[in-house]
Amino acid sequence: GAVVSQHPSRVICKSGTSVKIECRSLDFQATTMFWYRQFPKQSLMLMATSNEGSKATYEQGVEKDKFLINHASLTLSTLTVTSAHPEDSSFYICSAKGTGGSYGYTFGSGTRLTVV
Amino acid sequence: AQTVTQSQPEMSVQEAETVTLSCTYDTSESNYYLFWYKQPPSRQMILVIRQEAYKQQNATENRFSVNFQKAAKSFSLKISDSQLGDTAMYFCAFMKRISGNTPLVFGKGTRLSVIA
Repeated sequence: GAVVSQHPSRVICKSGTSVKIECRSLDFQATTMFWYRQFPKQSLMLMATSNEGSKATYEQGVEKDKFLINHASLTLSTLTVTSAHPEDSSFYICSAKGTGGSYGYTFGSGTRLTVV
Repeated sequence: AQTVTQSQPEMSVQEAETVTLSCTYDTSESNYYLFWYKQPPSRQMILVIRQEAYKQQNATENRFSVNFQKAAKSFSLKISDSQLGDTAMYFCAFMKRISGNTPLVFGKGTRLSVIA
């Protein structure tokens, strides 16, 4: 089945630094990648949608300059949290929609970001 | 805009018993998909079952089945012969059935505990 590899699984960084999270589709081409944020004991909140080769579309209230998304190839999308602050600490999950007409989505295993 | 409502924040069930998780949704779309996802403590999102709105027959996957009532906009999940490994957060999700890429819209989730 379709697999999305997400790294790192956990990261701790200092305030003011940047962190990059990668999602790779291992056995299919991900034309679209969705990035979600999940707070403890809450649901997944859509942050942005990225399509290969074009700019990401951000949801209302999500800072584009803080959460940089790049989807330069059909197998790799990255989320960079710039100038991280403690309030950015959260669980981030990517989800890929492949080609071929499938209506299924495959999720990465998530990244727990802690900003200290 | 679509909304998904899960009215049961937490539920528990004895091992081997049956439990039903509720989900209602609101949409003006006529073509869409509905999903149940499981998120165990590992936080990996796992697809449990999916239903195409144009199909009247309720989907089943082994011990998991749904009761899809399109007119009532209801999509409940029944877990039969509950197992300890079913302990997880369960999210109901909606997706419009259109060409292009649309994200999943999630409910707030139901935390299910299976008790030995």
